[in-house]
Amino acid sequence: AQSVTQLGSHVSVSEGALVLLRCNYSSSVPPYLFWYVQYPNQGLQLLLKYTSAATLVKGINGFEAEFKKSETSFHLTKPSAHMSDAAEYFCAVSVLTGANSKLTFGKGITLSVRP
Amino acid sequence: DTGVSQDPRHKITKRGQNVTFRCDPISEHNRLYWYRQTLGQGPEFLTYFQNEAQLEKSRLLSDRFSAERPKGSFSTLEIQRTEQGDSAMYLCASSATGGKFAFGSGTRLTVV
Repeated sequence: AQSVTQLGSHVSVSEGALVLLRCNYSSSVPPYLFWYVQYPNQGLQLLLKYTSAATLVKGINGFEAEFKKSETSFHLTKPSAHMSDAAEYFCAVSVLTGANSKLTFGKGITLSVRP
Repeated sequence: DTGVSQDPRHKITKRGQNVTFRCDPISEHNRLYWYRQTLGQGPEFLTYFQNEAQLEKSRLLSDRFSAERPKGSFSTLEIQRTEQGDSAMYLCASSATGGKFAFGSGTRLTVV
């Protein structure tokens, strides 16, 4: 079985500051890892995914994440926050093939961006 | 690719009533998933289908919940004898095997 842990429920940064959202995973097999963003009253949008290729993954809207097996982490970063980044962010883990292919999500982190 | 669509977007029902939601996946996707999301929580897995076969159900899923995907295309999720604790956003997602998940905008259920 797989699981993810997102520590803290709320992160607040100033516009232009570094964004760092943490995610740690647990998986009995090599995982696939994802970050999703959810804006109010909308569905989930994929930011980026790690599927065992390059450990540094670049996504949309300037976000990137680095897979670190030794730390079982997949933290999301963005060098400079924009007001439009304010949303809820979810880390998720899966194996993409076989019967157990569902996504398992963390509890999410709400990102606030101060002017 | 018209995306995953869910109907209705909002549903208000009285406690004890039955409700049914529909999900239309991306047409070439053979896998379809249902999730439930409550305020301040991540989406919680409910069940998933590969084509018309229901391959997994969450142990947390009450017997009042049932899902079908009769022809391997659209799916329905029914909740019988709704309770206030069923109030949540119900999300549907679809994927091709090994492919990217696409999520619908969800059905928000309020049980009063």
